[in-house]
Amino acid sequence: QSVLTQPPSASGTPGQRVTISCSGSSLGSNAVSWYQQLPGTAPKLLIFANDHRPSGVPDRFSASKSGTSASLAISGLQSEDEADYYCATWDDNLNGVLGGGTKLTVL
Amino acid sequence: QVTLKESGPALVKPTQTLTLTCTFSGFSLSTTGMRVTWIRQPPGKALEWLARIDWDDDKFYNTSLKTRLTISKGASKNQVVLTMTNMDPVDTATYYCARLQGTTREYWFDPWGQGTLVTVSS
Repeated sequence: QSVLTQPPSASGTPGQRVTISCSGSSLGSNAVSWYQQLPGTAPKLLIFANDHRPSGVPDRFSASKSGTSASLAISGLQSEDEADYYCATWDDNLNGVLGGGTKLTVL
Repeated sequence: QVTLKESGPALVKPTQTLTLTCTFSGFSLSTTGMRVTWIRQPPGKALEWLARIDWDDDKFYNTSLKTRLTISKGASKNQVVLTMTNMDPVDTATYYCARLQGTTREYWFDPWGQGTLVTVSS
C-alpha cells in the first residue's frame, strides 16, 4: 500500500506563513488534494488538482507539487486555521492514499 | 447543492458485520463520471481510505481490507452501501462517505458527509 508522509505537527504565530509538506511515490504520477479538519468536524476540501482552490477557500491557502513532494502554504495565519491538515492522492491501483495528517497549532 | 449523510449502527459486537448507508442528494450515481467513496478515522488518528464505487459499477478497495469490504449501490438510487465483515475493536472509527470528483490521476473528495461513529465492543 502506498503512503504519504506528513510532519505530525506544525505551528506558527498569527500573521505568519507556515508550510506543510507531503511526500510519497504516488505523487510522481498523480495529483494531490488537501483537506482541513477542524476539531470535531468532517474534513473539508482546501486544494484540488495540486494547486486549485475551490470557491470559498481564502487565497491565504496555496499549494504546489513537484515530483513526489507537495506542500500546502498558509499565509497570514489566523487562529481559526488551527486544525488538522491531510494530503491525499491515488496509487496506480486506483486506491486512495491519505497522509498521516499534520496538526497545526496557532501560538 | 450536493450533500451526503452516513447512517448505520453506532455499536456493533466483535465478529459482526457492519452495514453503513450513504444517502446523497444533488447528483445521480447513474450519471457518467459520478463516484462515491468511503473513508474512516479512528478516534484521534488519521484518515484511511476504504472503498470507491463508480457510476458504471466499477469498485475499488483498500488492499489491506479488501477481503472484508463490499461496496454497492443501494436499493434507492441515491444510496451507496458499505459492508465490513468480522468487525474488531480496532475498527472503531468515524466512517465518512464523500463524493469523488475529478478524472484519472486527478481525483479529490468533495463534499464529505458529517460522518458516523461506529464503536466495536462486546
